[in-house]
Amino acid sequence: DGGITQSPKYLFRKEGQNVTLSCEQNLNHDAMYWYRQDPGQGLRLIYYSQIVNDFQKGDIAEGYSVSREKKESFPLTVTSAQKNPTAFYLCASSAPGTNKAYEQYFGPGTRLTVT
Amino acid sequence: AQRVTQPEKLLSVFKGAPVELKCNYSYSGSPELFWYVQYSRQRLQLLLRHISRESIKGFTADLNKGETSFHLKKPFAQEEDSAMYYCALNAGGTSYGKLTFGQGTILTVHP
Repeated sequence: DGGITQSPKYLFRKEGQNVTLSCEQNLNHDAMYWYRQDPGQGLRLIYYSQIVNDFQKGDIAEGYSVSREKKESFPLTVTSAQKNPTAFYLCASSAPGTNKAYEQYFGPGTRLTVT
Repeated sequence: AQRVTQPEKLLSVFKGAPVELKCNYSYSGSPELFWYVQYSRQRLQLLLRHISRESIKGFTADLNKGETSFHLKKPFAQEEDSAMYYCALNAGGTSYGKLTFGQGTILTVHP
């Protein structure tokens, strides 16, 4: 079950600590995305990257940071500035510019709990 | 800015009954609409897109530009259809590939 992987599956942190969530893909996709999934609020876009060394803020980027140093990897850091970090985080990738550009492939998700 | 609205958080039907999951959107241009599905213990995955006009697992969805809707329909629901369903919009252009998702609808099909 490869394609796009996220680790760890569950993550626990104390309030005030930064934490980094991993996302790796072997689909050779240029674009990668981070979403946050909360009950009743659907999927909200945090950050996205359409190419290596470039990324843009999504709808709820405050308190988060990303990097895109390699095509395969798009780690997300949840900083202490994020007021409600406890959530389920989903990573996705897609291949813009191809006939499958519209289809996003999702990872299994990481559930982050901050206490 | 674009927006996708799914008015029903929860939807329950009995096996064999018709089901319709509602999706409305707001976007000034010509959008691409999709339905994604997340079955229990599985990843979120694409179910269908409006351009292909295909039927997947018995589901169909028609884009109604006049009503700005993209409702998902199935004439006879099955228990295995129970899942979270998300409607999504692609605004295209420089954002091609970037999707705006609705709030999601949890469908439960009772035996």
